[in-house]
Amino acid sequence: QSALTQPASVSGSPGQSITLSCTGTSSDIGTYTFVSWYQQHPGQVPRLMIYDVSNRPSWVSSRFSGSRSGNTASLTISDLRAEDEAHYYCASYTGSSTLVFGGGTKVTVL
Amino acid sequence: EVKLWESGGGSVQPGESLRLSCAPSGFTFSTFAMSWVRQAPGKGLEWVSSISGSGDKIDSADSVKGRFTISRDNSRNTLSLQMNSLRAEDTAVYYCAIGGTPSRRFFDYWGQGTLVTVSS
Repeated sequence: QSALTQPASVSGSPGQSITLSCTGTSSDIGTYTFVSWYQQHPGQVPRLMIYDVSNRPSWVSSRFSGSRSGNTASLTISDLRAEDEAHYYCASYTGSSTLVFGGGTKVTVL
Repeated sequence: EVKLWESGGGSVQPGESLRLSCAPSGFTFSTFAMSWVRQAPGKGLEWVSSISGSGDKIDSADSVKGRFTISRDNSRNTLSLQMNSLRAEDTAVYYCAIGGTPSRRFFDYWGQGTLVTVSS
């Protein structure tokens, strides 16, 4: 159950678009469409942003979108805003009936 | 409104046991898989264990297999995590969440978390 690989940090200016990557293997992201993304502000509870690769819960802005190509999933944040500054974690279902998270990416709004 | 309330956290010594509970409300508990996810201080999220809505399917991370047991009582609307042989590396905030294996392989609602500290 190796963790998914995420860049430690990504930054962007307000109004820009940024893309966070999440790299797994053919045993998780490469095979299953069960990739989810979570936002966590400091001291707060994680919040679901994307599920099943590209679906948004009702409470999530359309500025957030998800995709997958091969063994890598991506989260794109459009029209970057100050409130988007947070940690983002990806997660995937694996072939061993388990779930695995990435190490997290800290998004900084310049 | 969906709410999840964890309890049972605290400070214990290595090798000791602790039982966490989660009290859900605002949804039909028995129809959803439930999970425990933990977060060590200053670290990322780690999936711990999931249980199906009926309780007949359980999956757990290798790091806790044989030591932690997830269970649920649908008649009392309670989710539990029995943690035995605790280690220092189990120190974390433990979140109760809706979702996980075998269905709904994501976590759409989370509790506020309960802190478990394992230290001598």
